[in-house]
Amino acid sequence: GAVVSQHPSWVICKSGTSVKIECRSLDFQATTMFWYRQFPKQSLMLMATSNEGSKATYEQGVEKDKFLINHASLTLSTLTVTSAHPEDSSFYICSAGVGGLGNIQYFGAGTRLSVL
Amino acid sequence: RKEVEQDPGPFNVPEGATVAFNCTYSNSASQSFFWYRQDCRKEPKLLMSVYSSGNEDGRFTAQLNRASQYISLLIRDSKLSDSATYLCVVNSGGGADGLTFGKGTHLIIQP
Repeated sequence: GAVVSQHPSWVICKSGTSVKIECRSLDFQATTMFWYRQFPKQSLMLMATSNEGSKATYEQGVEKDKFLINHASLTLSTLTVTSAHPEDSSFYICSAGVGGLGNIQYFGAGTRLSVL
Repeated sequence: RKEVEQDPGPFNVPEGATVAFNCTYSNSASQSFFWYRQDCRKEPKLLMSVYSSGNEDGRFTAQLNRASQYISLLIRDSKLSDSATYLCVVNSGGGADGLTFGKGTHLIIQP
C-alpha cells in the first residue's frame, strides 16, 4: 500500500511551547490529508482536513488558531500545536487518501505528544 | 447518538476459534466502509474494505447490510497474532472527507 511518513513519533515538551508534526506522502501525491487525534481508550477523532494550497477545514470544537495546519505541497502537511498544554497530550495521526470515492486512507505512524 | 457504534469487548477467544463482531452506523448516506486494525499504541492499518456483496480475504469475511446499517467482520481459525483492536470505519462523503471511526472492539486470542 501507499506510504505515509509522520515525524516525530514521540514528543515531550514543556507547557507553553509549540510542537510541529510533519506528515509526508512518500510515493504518491495527496491534495487532501487528514489530521486525527486519539485519547486513551477513545476512538480516533477527525480534527481537520488539510487542503493543498488552501486553508484547512476544521471540525467543530477544534481551535484553528491553536492547531495550525499548513499544506504547502502535494506531499507534505504540517500540524503545529501552539502553546501546548497538558490537556493537548494525545496521539496525533495523519492520513492521506489514494483515489476518489471510496478511497482508502493510509495512516502515518502517529505522534505521541506529552506536555508536562 | 454515536455515529459508529461497536461493542468494545474485550472478546477473549481461544486460538483456532471463529469470532465475529458487528458495528452499526447512523448516517444512512454513508458510502464507504472499512475494517481497520490497531495494535496497542500504533496507527490504524487497513484490514479490508467492506462491499455490499460481502467480501472475503483469507480468514477474514466482511459483510455490509445497508438496510439495517450494520457491518460485520468474521475471523476464522483465529491466530494469536489476531489479537488487536478492530476499528469499524465509515466514510460518509466522497474522497475528500475524513473517516468516522468506531471506538473499536478489543480482541484477545488466548493460547
